[in-house]
Amino acid sequence: SAVISQKPSRDICQRGTSLTIQCQVDSQVTMMFWYRQQPGQSLTLIATANQGSEATYESGFVIDKFPISRPNLTFSTLTVSNMSPEDSSIYLCSETDRNTEAFFGQGTRLTVV
Amino acid sequence: ILNVEQSPQSLHVQEGDSTNFTCSFPSSNFYALHWYRWETAKSPEALFVMTLNGDEKKKGRISATLNTKEGYSYLYIKGSQPEDSATYLCAVMEASKIIFGSGTRLSIRP
Repeated sequence: SAVISQKPSRDICQRGTSLTIQCQVDSQVTMMFWYRQQPGQSLTLIATANQGSEATYESGFVIDKFPISRPNLTFSTLTVSNMSPEDSSIYLCSETDRNTEAFFGQGTRLTVV
Repeated sequence: ILNVEQSPQSLHVQEGDSTNFTCSFPSSNFYALHWYRWETAKSPEALFVMTLNGDEKKKGRISATLNTKEGYSYLYIKGSQPEDSATYLCAVMEASKIIFGSGTRLSIRP
């Protein structure tokens, strides 16, 4: 099993600013994923973070708003740019092998005011 | 786009009662189905990973079944306890990503 350290655990940010969320995995993993859960909604996949190439974004999410870095096989960041109150969510990073369950970071609870 | 649906959205159960909820998904391009329990302020925790049609898995008072031909899975909780209160997420793995349902929020009344 993988242990994923995610930070910050929570933050309150002013609209128009940006926040970078970091995830560190205790082992090398091929793919990492970033999810968002808006209040009352399901976990929605934002993008797949690929090491050595650009992230693959899901429909409705764009790189300018959610730039992702994946400099090596144990680390990834997600930036929420130019934030608005609608970006208030829980953000989760995750990794999985096709044959096992997904492991998650502790989540970042973001409130934009 | 893969659509994973869960029902009911929320459920209130008396302590000691048994309950179950449903996950449905398109039966094509299926690779694996996952169940997770997500407690407030914690990370989602995997309960089961199921791949074969007819799979049944059990962990303590919780069990799950899988029907890949008709595209559904059931999660059962026997003799509900207050610590079972959580959101239960179903997720389907296709290709190289996992798509989650909206979850069933379970509350156990003492």
